[in-house]
Amino acid sequence: AQKITQTQPGMFVQEKEAVTLDCTYDTSDQSYGLFWYKQPSSGEMIFLIYQGSYDEQNATEGRYSLNFQKARKSANLVISASQLGDSAMYFCAMSSAGNKLTFGGGTRVLVKP
Amino acid sequence: EAGVAQSPRYKIIEKRQSVAFWCNPISGHATLYWYQQILGQGPKLLIQFQNNGVVDDSQLPKDRFSAERLKGVDSTLKIQPAKLEDSAVYLCASSLQGVVGNEQFFGPGTRLTVL
Repeated sequence: AQKITQTQPGMFVQEKEAVTLDCTYDTSDQSYGLFWYKQPSSGEMIFLIYQGSYDEQNATEGRYSLNFQKARKSANLVISASQLGDSAMYFCAMSSAGNKLTFGGGTRVLVKP
Repeated sequence: EAGVAQSPRYKIIEKRQSVAFWCNPISGHATLYWYQQILGQGPKLLIQFQNNGVVDDSQLPKDRFSAERLKGVDSTLKIQPAKLEDSAVYLCASSLQGVVGNEQFFGPGTRLTVL
């Protein structure tokens, strides 16, 4: 069975600073993918970044980067130059056979001006 | 490109009543997912369809929940009878295929309150 753990229930970050959101996972699958989604208070799930288990380079998408450490089974999200609009819930999720997503419990980020 | 559509957006019912949610995925997406998101938690997969067939319904409480995707396009999720613990947001998502790494696109969700 797949399991995603996000140990930070909530974080404050100063505007324009970087923040790292932790995610560890557990799986016996060889092929899997790791996603990060943002969920603002409005409720929609917004895709941020994806890392495949066989990808050797860490994924980057604009201000988002994924620090993938396969041996440690971690896939931390780094948001650089935080903006007020980054205030939201952030979910780490694993895609396994059939592309089913298993989500972590989420981390709430609040950006302070 | 139109996104995933869901209706209704909000629903309030009393326990033991029935309710149905509708989802229309992105055109051409073969795989459709229903997730339940209880307040303060991450979404949990209820059921996955590939075209009009069920791929995984292992976490669907089949004594009260049912879902169908008869023509391989839109889908309906039903709860009958509802319990207080069914209060949650029900998210529908779709992807091109059920292949690891295919991005899932989410609808706006239906917020269900059971009184």
